[in-house]
Amino acid sequence: RKEVEQDPGPFNVPEGATVAFNCTYSNSASQSFFWYRQDCRKEPKLLMSVYSSGNEDGRFTAQLNRASQYISLLIRDSKLSDSATYLCAVTPGKLTFGQGTILTVHP
Amino acid sequence: DVKVTQSSRYLVKRTGEKVFLECVQDMDHENMFWYRQDPGLGLRLIYFSYDVKMKEKGDIPEGYSVSREKKERFSLILESASTNQTSMYLCASRTGGASYEQYFGPGTRLTVT
Repeated sequence: RKEVEQDPGPFNVPEGATVAFNCTYSNSASQSFFWYRQDCRKEPKLLMSVYSSGNEDGRFTAQLNRASQYISLLIRDSKLSDSATYLCAVTPGKLTFGQGTILTVHP
Repeated sequence: DVKVTQSSRYLVKRTGEKVFLECVQDMDHENMFWYRQDPGLGLRLIYFSYDVKMKEKGDIPEGYSVSREKKERFSLILESASTNQTSMYLCASRTGGASYEQYFGPGTRLTVT
């Protein structure tokens, strides 16, 4: 089983839609969790950290479920500019990344 | 703003050549990392370093070595390039302690022919 797994997609959604991604992790000792965004032919950039109590940043909401060992990212009111690959990353120690989920938002 | 720079955006080398990929960060970060990214496989860690002259193997170190003589610079070396090392190489850095935000360089697209 991979340490971190994501549904690679692609997810194709219309503008204004709500879309959610999950990311499962196998190491129960994982302590820190992140979502990165990677635009085509660009480097990954931190989108948001994921806190135990869940956190929100504008249209983006991140949740952690320790019991089931997954994190989620919810995007509301999708914009064309949200089209990207979304990578989850978990610790402990070095960051381990999922393979990424491709999101395409169309008009 | 944190800046991580890589020496080349695109590189074409021949099989058997020795290849050097350079990475420099300007935020005095202790930790530096080299990844490769391939379609369907995501980001895979090759080597990392917690301090000057220190290095640790990542998940796929075979065929690679690294050098960290100065805090700001972390070099990835392909001793004898092979076609299966054609990939996107990404360098990253972060500070130590509890903060795990990693900053990535723009990447080097290496093609080995």
